[in-house]
Amino acid sequence: AQSVAQPEDQVNVAEGNPLTVKCTYSVSGNPYLFWYVQYPNRGLQFLLKYITGDNLVKGSYGFEAEFNKSQTSFHLKKPSALVSDSALYFCAVSPFSGGYNKLIFGAGTRLAVHP
Amino acid sequence: ETGVTQSPTHLIKTRGQQVTLRCSSQSGHNTVSWYQQALGQGPQFIFQYYREEENGRGNFPPRFSGLQFPNYSSELNVNALELDDSALYLCASSLKAGNTIYFGEGSWLTVV
Repeated sequence: AQSVAQPEDQVNVAEGNPLTVKCTYSVSGNPYLFWYVQYPNRGLQFLLKYITGDNLVKGSYGFEAEFNKSQTSFHLKKPSALVSDSALYFCAVSPFSGGYNKLIFGAGTRLAVHP
Repeated sequence: ETGVTQSPTHLIKTRGQQVTLRCSSQSGHNTVSWYQQALGQGPQFIFQYYREEENGRGNFPPRFSGLQFPNYSSELNVNALELDDSALYLCASSLKAGNTIYFGEGSWLTVV
């Protein structure tokens, strides 16, 4: 079965420290991988995606993610966290089978950045 | 701004009623999909439309249906509303499968 796991419900980090939000996936074939962020009572905002190529992907707002095929992981990272980064983060995978754009989301990880 | 707009933003319906949610895709995007996000959960794929035809569906019953129009705007219709249908409904558009998918702000549906 295709699935995405975000093992941490919440990640707490001090402002200025590096942050990592973890994601692992289970899907056949070569998946497309995405990170989205959701602020309170808002829709999803696209951060970055991995399709192919360099395993380190750079995205919006200083975020980056590292694709690791052997560990089936796609962890989100940022070198220096900001209080404004506090939000709900979703990892998603698109198996791209059948020619349509279905995204399978993880349950989300709440990031809390403390001053 | 993603260029994907949804209406209404909030609505309250009674169990058994029907609801229609609307979405205007980002300009030029011919693929639209709908997701349901229950409180505290990740979004769940409902279905996708491409060139006015449904071409993919998640694990949702037939009372969830949709339309895509020639201008690529879209509707999600839910019949015989149940309390568990209370959720944020997200519309998403993309140019084609495999491209970045952009989401609207969503429509909050409460069923009482």
